[in-house]
Amino acid sequence: DVKVTQSSRYLVKRTGEKVFLECVQDMDHENMFWYRQDPGLGLRLIYFSYDVKMKEKGDIPEGYSVSREKKERFSLILESASTNQTSMYLCASSQPTGLAAWGSYNEQFFGPGTRLTVL
Amino acid sequence: KQEVTQIPAALSVPEGENLVLNCSFTDSAIYNLQWFRQDPGKGLTSLLLIQSSQREQTSGRLNASLDKSSGRSTLYIAASQPGDSATYLCAVGGSGGGADGLTFGKGTHLIIQP
Repeated sequence: DVKVTQSSRYLVKRTGEKVFLECVQDMDHENMFWYRQDPGLGLRLIYFSYDVKMKEKGDIPEGYSVSREKKERFSLILESASTNQTSMYLCASSQPTGLAAWGSYNEQFFGPGTRLTVL
Repeated sequence: KQEVTQIPAALSVPEGENLVLNCSFTDSAIYNLQWFRQDPGKGLTSLLLIQSSQREQTSGRLNASLDKSSGRSTLYIAASQPGDSATYLCAVGGSGGGADGLTFGKGTHLIIQP
């Protein structure tokens, strides 16, 4: 019954490392999203993608990039990790139009999250 | 810029009570509104989605209403159970057809006492 998966539940990296967070959805959704969640700040949108090879900046894109080479996979890249990127990272997907196989159209489904610690 | 506020920030009630969680948003030009549940250290579970043209949605003991003109939504939980203890998040989709992500409130931390 798994729908959105993330490559790691917990990750520890060092400052300056390049970090890849992977997200895969099996619902054939067109839209995919990356958020980060921090105490007191809530969830904030980093990047999103509405099609393969397409990407759009969210509210806090600085220090991040993304890649979407296949419809089901959306990667978040921290080019040079910093301590202020320690956070919980959540991936989501949704189907924008018509009948969705899973849920209603534009209903977002989330993965279990990756808790990243940068030392 | 859209802002979403959830009141109260925390709530503790005895088992069996009916309760209401509140969500307000500043820009009424929304595409939809979604309620989620989050257990500690976990991802988000979608509870209810209300499209902008709808007034309410129901799922089991949960009922969510939407008043776009006043910028408000409520989540009603009937006959609360200890298993309902979690953080409840309200999120709105912008006018970009829902493809441009959600704006979240900071959540209501709910504890149901056995």
